[in-house]
Amino acid sequence: DQQVKQNSPSLSVQEGRISILNCDHTNSMFDYFLWYKKYPAEGPTFLISISSIKDKNEDGRFTVFLNKSAKHLSLHIVPSQPGDSAVYFCAASGYQGGSEKLVFGKGTKLTVNP
Amino acid sequence: ETGVTQSPTHLIKTRGQQVTLRCSSQSGHNTVSWYQQALGQGPQFIFQYYREEENGRGNFPPRFSGLQFPNYSSELNVNALELDDSALYLCASSGGGRTDTQYFGPGTRLTVL
Repeated sequence: DQQVKQNSPSLSVQEGRISILNCDHTNSMFDYFLWYKKYPAEGPTFLISISSIKDKNEDGRFTVFLNKSAKHLSLHIVPSQPGDSAVYFCAASGYQGGSEKLVFGKGTKLTVNP
Repeated sequence: ETGVTQSPTHLIKTRGQQVTLRCSSQSGHNTVSWYQQALGQGPQFIFQYYREEENGRGNFPPRFSGLQFPNYSSELNVNALELDDSALYLCASSGGGRTDTQYFGPGTRLTVL
């Protein structure tokens, strides 16, 4: 049962344009959401997060939007750069069984073409 | 400030064997989480240790076990290896607070033949 879903395995955009990566979840217990970026042969690197009490969080070129009622979040990268090419994981956090754990989606491979 | 390190980088084992993977936390972090990332999948939570005690466990059988040491480094042990255990094993350390960022190591690639 995939609680965090990233339905697009890959996305290709031109340098300078906007990249939009989407994520859906199915568990109302999740109240904190994160995006990680992963390059080959490296561990995931934290990008940006958002609490369920907010609907937007911005950090430089990266903005995360949360639609709590739709259980949907998206990551916007503007402008996209070739160095942004990586696999992006959406993760959700919530207390379950007295402890907290991160649940990850399967990832979306972003390719930014020069 | 040193980052999260893991050893070994790669490992090949045969079915039925046992394996120990190691993780050194980022300086100042007292919480370590372990994840299994199978090919084409996202990281899947195995368990978390906070100040040497297990503090949450994912849907993994008891043959997956762990330890956290007083210096907050950690081990993941897997007994009776199965072919499906082949994966990238990631550890992540954090300060333990609710919204503290988890910092990941580069992972150990385990292949079970």
